[in-house]
Amino acid sequence: DVKVTQSSRYLVKRTGEKVFLECVQDMDHENMFWYRQDPGLGLRLIYFSYDVKMKEKGDIPEGYSVSREKKERFSLILESASTNQTSMYLCASSPPGRLLTDTQYFGPGTRLTVL
Amino acid sequence: EDKVVQSPLSLVVHEGDTVTLNCSYEVTNFRSLLWYKQEKKAPTFLFMLTSSGIEKKSGRLSSILDKKELFSILNITATQTGDSAIYLCAVDWGGADGLTFGKGTHLIIQP
Repeated sequence: DVKVTQSSRYLVKRTGEKVFLECVQDMDHENMFWYRQDPGLGLRLIYFSYDVKMKEKGDIPEGYSVSREKKERFSLILESASTNQTSMYLCASSPPGRLLTDTQYFGPGTRLTVL
Repeated sequence: EDKVVQSPLSLVVHEGDTVTLNCSYEVTNFRSLLWYKQEKKAPTFLFMLTSSGIEKKSGRLSSILDKKELFSILNITATQTGDSAIYLCAVDWGGADGLTFGKGTHLIIQP
């Protein structure tokens, strides 16, 4: 079974702090994604990556950056955390392939609270 | 052991058919159950269910939650080829337990 792990389940940070959210997958997947989940808004794509050192902006990249130095690891960085970044952050990975077989495997999520 | 189980894993039907997708879950601090449609890079949000027995409806899609029997169903009536996608169910356990996704149901609608 694919395993996607996220470094923290629950994180509390202060406004202005730099925050790192780490995601690791163990299935050698090319594609990795970062989403945030907010009540009533569903999943919104922040950034995704098709390969090492490659990244593309999703729908809401503002205030975030990412890093993919190794295939198995995709990091989400909040350079200066703000209260509107309080959310549930979800990482996912998927193998390359046709869209309908491109199942994304999700990590358990990190609940980030910015005070 | 999976906490969220979807069935069937795949389903092929003809246009115009009605389909029912299932999602069952374990009880541990349940907060809400969410349904998504995935056909491109980001899953599209469909429904969030928190209360038992109250049907949520959007066009030809509807969903209901049974908190006593610990499952939810997603119905699609008069299916169209554009309904072909992976349908994901996720449970929000609240607190630090996070969000758990099922493996999804691959739905293919043939013309």
